[in-house]
Amino acid sequence: GNSVTQMEGPVTLSEEAFLTINCTYTATGYPSLFWYVQYPGEGLQLLLKATKADDKGSNKGFEATYRKETTSFHLEKGSVQVSDSAVYFCALRGTGNQFYFGTGTSLTVIP
Amino acid sequence: KAGVTQTPRYLIKTRGQQVTLSCSPISGHRSVSWYQQTPGQGLQFLFEYFSETQRNKGNFPGRFSGRQFSNSRSEMNVSTLELGDSALYLCASSLDRNTGELFFGEGSRLTVL
Repeated sequence: GNSVTQMEGPVTLSEEAFLTINCTYTATGYPSLFWYVQYPGEGLQLLLKATKADDKGSNKGFEATYRKETTSFHLEKGSVQVSDSAVYFCALRGTGNQFYFGTGTSLTVIP
Repeated sequence: KAGVTQTPRYLIKTRGQQVTLSCSPISGHRSVSWYQQTPGQGLQFLFEYFSETQRNKGNFPGRFSGRQFSNSRSEMNVSTLELGDSALYLCASSLDRNTGELFFGEGSRLTVL
């Protein structure tokens, strides 16, 4: 079946530090992969996506590469800002519009 | 363009009652999905509607039901509420079933006492 496993949080970083949030998946076939972000009191917003192996999704300085060989889609950012504080969810798209989400990783960036 | 609108944003019910939540998708979007978000279980898929038909259902009891209207608006209903139903219920819309991008509302936070 389909599932997503992501790094447990919470994660606390100083401003301008390097961020990595690990995500691995189990799926039949080659699903599209996503990172969503949830800011306090808001719904989820798409951060980036990749639809096939070796694709790199990027947005707002965040990047993730679809690695078929390691079934991974790790999120990275070279220099985090206080405004990046949020909960990050890795997800894969299964049949139709059924998405499978990881448990979320809470990130706090301190000045 | 207005985003996904969910009502009510907050509600408190007691065990045994029922609740109806509403979701208005982004204009032109025809697929609506519902997710339950809890601290312990994360985001769990409830169901997906497209063209007024349920296309997919997650692993939830029959107390959870939904429907979609001809204007793509959707409602979900939970009957005989249990304490464990306390959660944030998120609605997401997408243009169709193939674009692979969900747009989420801010959610309806249900507390069951």
